Amino acid sequence: EVQLVESGGGLVQPGGSLRLSCAASGFTFSSYEMNWVRQAPGKGLEWVSYISSSGSTIYYADSVKGRFTISRDNAKNSLYLQMNSLRAEDTAVYYCARDSNDNFDYWGQGTLVTVSS
Amino acid sequence: EIVLTQSPATLSLSPGERATLSCRASQSVSSYLAWYQQKPGQAPRLLIYDASNRATGIPARFSGSGSGTDFTLTISSLEPEDFAVYYCQQRSNWPPGAFGGGTKVEIK
Repeated sequence: EVQLVESGGGLVQPGGSLRLSCAASGFTFSSYEMNWVRQAPGKGLEWVSYISSSGSTIYYADSVKGRFTISRDNAKNSLYLQMNSLRAEDTAVYYCARDSNDNFDYWGQGTLVTVSS
Repeated sequence: EIVLTQSPATLSLSPGERATLSCRASQSVSSYLAWYQQKPGQAPRLLIYDASNRATGIPARFSGSGSGTDFTLTISSLEPEDFAVYYCQQRSNWPPGAFGGGTKVEIK
């Protein structure tokens, strides 16, 4: 069974940093591209970042470019999102999502990030 | 950047009725469009990919159609568990992987 489990969310002050993790199981993690998608409270979905299966290709949404860094450790079946210079507008539930043929076929349950003083 | 516009924002229907949801792209995305369902407190779930293909385990009452700029998600007969928010997403012009604003299907 495919499972994606996010962790690392929490309350952080504006300007602070947080590192999210996504633990994958039930599939060959190293064969799949992965994404982070977020959802602000009561709002729609916003794609945040993409990483190829090897980690050699990375994309970011303009809203997080220069502040967030996506990475992966295929030996540990894990995906990461390092978030720096956090702003109030980064408050959201962050989901990791498996990318299969350009579709997000499995999602984690999400981890809540709250940026507030 | 491609913008996806979903309509209506809210659809009020009764169980057993047919639901028709629209997603319009600001420029052609060919058939690279997916639909997702999200229930309160849950992660989104892939329903339809490549405009008209049902994802694994998705009931036949869900169907997708369209190409280019105009797409439709149809639920032939609403079941109680189908009341949720539905999002479209394009992967033609990538990145970014734009999502539409969503359509909420609520019980009338």
